[in-house]
Amino acid sequence: AQSVAQPEDQVNVAEGNPLTVKCTYSVSGNPYLFWYVQYPNRGLQFLLKYITGDNLVKGSYGFEAEFNKSQTSFHLKKPSALVSDSALYFCAVRDRNTGGFKTIFGAGTRLFVKA
Amino acid sequence: NAGVTQTPKFQVLKTGQSMTLQCAQDMNHNSMYWYRQDPGMGLRLIYYSASEGTTDKGEVPNGYNVSRLNKREFSLRLESAAPSQTSVYFCASSEASQGRTPLHFGNGTRLTVT
Repeated sequence: AQSVAQPEDQVNVAEGNPLTVKCTYSVSGNPYLFWYVQYPNRGLQFLLKYITGDNLVKGSYGFEAEFNKSQTSFHLKKPSALVSDSALYFCAVRDRNTGGFKTIFGAGTRLFVKA
Repeated sequence: NAGVTQTPKFQVLKTGQSMTLQCAQDMNHNSMYWYRQDPGMGLRLIYYSASEGTTDKGEVPNGYNVSRLNKREFSLRLESAAPSQTSVYFCASSEASQGRTPLHFGNGTRLTVT
């Protein structure tokens, strides 16, 4: 069965510092991996995805994520955090070997960036 | 270009009442989905429609029914609401039925069942 773990409920960083939001996954086959962001009272917005190829994926708003197959991880990173990055972040996985219709989401990590 | 539109935005029901949540997308996407979001649990898939004319159960389908009315519209019905169905409901769509395309979400319906 597919699953996604986001081990931190909350991450606090100071503006200008690098940030990391952690994600590990479990699928029976090869994964498609995604990060989404949610602002208050809004739906989730797509940030970036890993499909195949280069393990370092770049996405919207300066975010990037590194796919590590041996550690089954897909951590979200940004070199310099902004206050406006404060939001709820979700990691998600699809198993490409099962048709890919079902996206499984982690529980979410709330990011606070202090000025 | 509105993307994914959900109505209503808020709803309060009494236990046993029924209601239908409406969703429409204007991106010509093939696949549509209904999720519920509960604190600490992320999003859980209720039902999905891989393409017009098909629907399938997700992780938590009990107590819900869906209709893919046409390519644009995908509705979620609660026949007899229960307090356990208090949640925020999100509709989403994706371009292709294969897994590599991201989901596009509406802004949600906040449902309270008393």
